[in-house]
Order: sequence, then C-alpha cells, then structure tokens
Amino acid sequence: EVQLLESGGGLVQPGGSLRVSCAASGFTFRNFDMGWVRQAPGKGLEWVSSIKSSGIEKYYAGSVKGRFTISRDNSRNTLYLQMNSLKAEDTAIYYCATGTTYSSSWYHWGQGTLVTVSS
Amino acid sequence: DFQMTQSPSSLSAPVGSRVTITCRASQAINNYLAWYQQKPGKVPKLLIYAASTLQSGVPSRFSGSGSGTDFTLTISSLQAEDVATYYCQKYNSAPWTFGQGTKVDIK
Repeated sequence: EVQLLESGGGLVQPGGSLRVSCAASGFTFRNFDMGWVRQAPGKGLEWVSSIKSSGIEKYYAGSVKGRFTISRDNSRNTLYLQMNSLKAEDTAIYYCATGTTYSSSWYHWGQGTLVTVSS
Repeated sequence: DFQMTQSPSSLSAPVGSRVTITCRASQAINNYLAWYQQKPGKVPKLLIYAASTLQSGVPSRFSGSGSGTDFTLTISSLQAEDVATYYCQKYNSAPWTFGQGTKVDIK
C-alpha cells in the first residue's frame, strides 16, 4: 500500500526557515516524479513545486521561486521542501503527492503538514 | 502566467439533478487534465484523469470530457455524498496549475 507521510510543519516567524519532509513507502520511490501542493486556510489548492524522479529537473510556482527548494533522497525514499524567507501568506497545509504507473496525475496524497508563519 | 479558470465558483442543486462544472485552460494542454474532489477536512481525491478516464472505484455518475482548452466534469445524478469542492488541474508540464475550485452543495 502506498503511503506518503509528511512531517516537519510547525510555527515559524516571518523571515524564518523550515524544512518539511515526505516519507514514502509502498512503491519504488526513485521511479516516480513527486510534487508539493499547499492549501491556505479556507482557500483552494495551489501547486508549489515538483521534482522529476532523477532529482535533476525541478519546478517552482512563481510565488515561491527563489525562496523554496525541492529535493529528494532516493536512498531514503524521502521528499523535502526547504522553505526560506517565509511570509504570512505561506501559512498553509502542505501536501506531497505522486502519480501511478498509468498516469502522472496525482492519485496518491499524504495527509499534509501545517505550516504557520506568524510572529 | 498559465491559468485554469473554473466555473461556476459555487452551485447548489437538488439531489438527483445533473451538475456540470467547466474548466478552461489559458493554453492547449491536450488531454492532460485531472479532476479532484475534496470534502471538508479531507485530502483531495483523484476522480478523473486524461480528461475523461474515470479513476478506479469512482462512481460512474461522474464523467469528464473535453480536450485542448475546454473541459467539463459532469455529475449525472447528484447525491448527498457529493457535497465537496471540485478542482481541475493540468499536469502535462510545469506549472501544474489548479483551477480555483467549485463548491457543490445540496439545495
């Protein structure tokens, strides 16, 4: 059974940094592209960042480019999102997600980790 | 900036009615369009991928159509358990943009 388990969320001050992780199990992690999606309180889904299976190609939403860095450790089956220069508007639940062998649309989602940026 | 525009932003309809949600991409995306359902407090659930392919286990009252820039999600007979927010998403290439969501309620 595929499982994605996010961790590392919490309360951080504006301008601070935080790294969230997504531990994957139940599938061959190194073969799948991965993504991060966030959802601010009461708002819709926002794509944040994606990384190809090799870890070489990385993509970012304009709202986080230059501040967030996506990475993965295929030996540890773990996806990361390093978040720097955090702003109040980055407050959200952060989900990791991935597709299947038959579609790169996101069938598998984690439960999410809450990041709150506040003084 | 790439945009996915959903309409309406919300709707209320009786149980048993036919419901249609549209999604328009600012550029052609072939059929790399997915629909997700998110119930309050829950994780998004994939309903349809490749614009019209029903994900296994999803009730057949859900269907999708379209290609290029214009897409539609249809619920043929709305049920109480379908109360949720529905999102479209392009997934052919970056950015993996979502629509703003359509909140569906029962009248």
